[in-house]
Amino acid sequence: SQQGEEDPQALSIQEGENATMNCSYKTSINNLQWYRQNSGRGLVHLILIRSNEREKHSGRLRVTLDTSKKSSSLLITASRAADTASYFCATDAGEGMRFGAGTRLTVKP
Amino acid sequence: DTEVTQTPKHLVMGMTNKKSLKCEQHMGHRAMYWYKQKAKKPPELMFVYSYEKLSINESVPSRFSPECPNSSLLNLHLHALQPEDSALYLCASSQAPVGGERVYEQYFGPGTRLTVT
Repeated sequence: SQQGEEDPQALSIQEGENATMNCSYKTSINNLQWYRQNSGRGLVHLILIRSNEREKHSGRLRVTLDTSKKSSSLLITASRAADTASYFCATDAGEGMRFGAGTRLTVKP
Repeated sequence: DTEVTQTPKHLVMGMTNKKSLKCEQHMGHRAMYWYKQKAKKPPELMFVYSYEKLSINESVPSRFSPECPNSSLLNLHLHALQPEDSALYLCASSQAPVGGERVYEQYFGPGTRLTVT
C-alpha cells in the first residue's frame, strides 16, 4: 500500500529555477529515499537519507528529513530541462519499500 | 554492470493466455522485487525475494506467480489475467533486502508494459 503523500502533484518551472517537492509519510521509518522516473520507464535512485540524519546533499540535490513531522523535502537547484520527470519518495519501514504518490516536474527551457 | 534487464519490453495477452515476465541482474544482489505501476500512480510492491526465497507477498492474486530460479533471475508467471492487470511491471534488485541494519538502494529495470485484452 502507498506509504507517503507528495505535494505538489505537479510542478512547472523555468530552467534555472529551483524546484522543491515535499513528501509525508505515516509510520516510523528506517530511511527515506528519493527516486526519479522518466516517462513510464524504470526508476533511478537519487539520494538516501537515514532516519537519524536531518539533511543530505548530492550535487544539485538537497534532501531534508523531519521525523517528528514525518516529512521530507527534495530541492533541485538550478533546474534543467533534462530534470523533467516524476519524482517519488520511498520509505523503508522494514517490510519493503513504499512509494509516495509522486510529483510530476516539468522544467521549461 | 549495474543494469537490471527485463524482457519482454511490451506484452499483449488475452485473458486465457499464460505468459512470463523475466528479470535478470548480474550485480550479485541478493534481494529482488516485483512492482506493479498503473499510469500516473506510484509503483506498488508485489513480491520480495530475499536470498532466493519469497519473503514478502503483498496479498497479490494467485494469477501472478513469482519464481526465483537463481540469484540472478526473477520470473513472474501470468495466468488468467484481467484487463485491470494491464500496467507497467517493474523489477528491481538491491544488494541485500530492506529492513536490515545496512541500507541499500534499489536498481530498477526499464519495465514490461503489459496489456491484457
